[in-house]
Amino acid sequence: LAKTTQPISMDSYEGQEVNITCSHNNIATNDYITWYQQFPSQGPRFIIQGYKTKVTNEVASLFIPADRKSSTLSLPRVSLSDTAVYYCLVGVSILTGGGNKLTFGTGTQLKVEL
Amino acid sequence: DTAVSQTPKYLVTQMGNDKSIKCEQNLGHDTMYWYKQDSKKFLKIMFSYNNKELIINETVPNRFSPKSPDKAHLNLHINSLELGDSAVYFCASSQRDRGRGYEKLFFGSGTQLSVL
Repeated sequence: LAKTTQPISMDSYEGQEVNITCSHNNIATNDYITWYQQFPSQGPRFIIQGYKTKVTNEVASLFIPADRKSSTLSLPRVSLSDTAVYYCLVGVSILTGGGNKLTFGTGTQLKVEL
Repeated sequence: DTAVSQTPKYLVTQMGNDKSIKCEQNLGHDTMYWYKQDSKKFLKIMFSYNNKELIINETVPNRFSPKSPDKAHLNLHINSLELGDSAVYFCASSQRDRGRGYEKLFFGSGTQLSVL
């Protein structure tokens, strides 16, 4: 199971772009990279997922270099409401066998201020 | 409509008691999970059921017993509660994306369990 390492916390101001990098040096060939967002008193919410290169949706972008040993979640023009914990996960579907299970680490606490 | 709902939201009880947490999803998903989040925000999988069958059972004390009466429900019963069981318990569901081979997890809002 690929282990992930991400910063414990980050601070930003409204309107700035925030990039959170996650290291996953032992990522396996079949592993996908997924990011979740968690607000206080709520369950995590899926943000974005990718396998390689760049993925973009209405919320964020995910940059994955060719070696896939890291990934960067990019949040454009953050607002106060983006204050949350962001989790990086690496793994494959448990339903495809192999015993991989999506386990969350401690995440990155992003604090956005005025 | 809440996609994944779990009850109760808060549960305060004494050591040694038995308690249950209920979870229901109306997304039509085949797979449901229980996760435990401790005070340091570390979120760890406990169990997973796929179509009412247990497919993941992590190293959880056997005081914890999940039950899935149908694929829309996954309940968690805890016997002889201990102080260390205090945490937030999240239910989740997922449906495998057949085109890509991964699933997106949908979480409930959590049950804050406090054992006194």
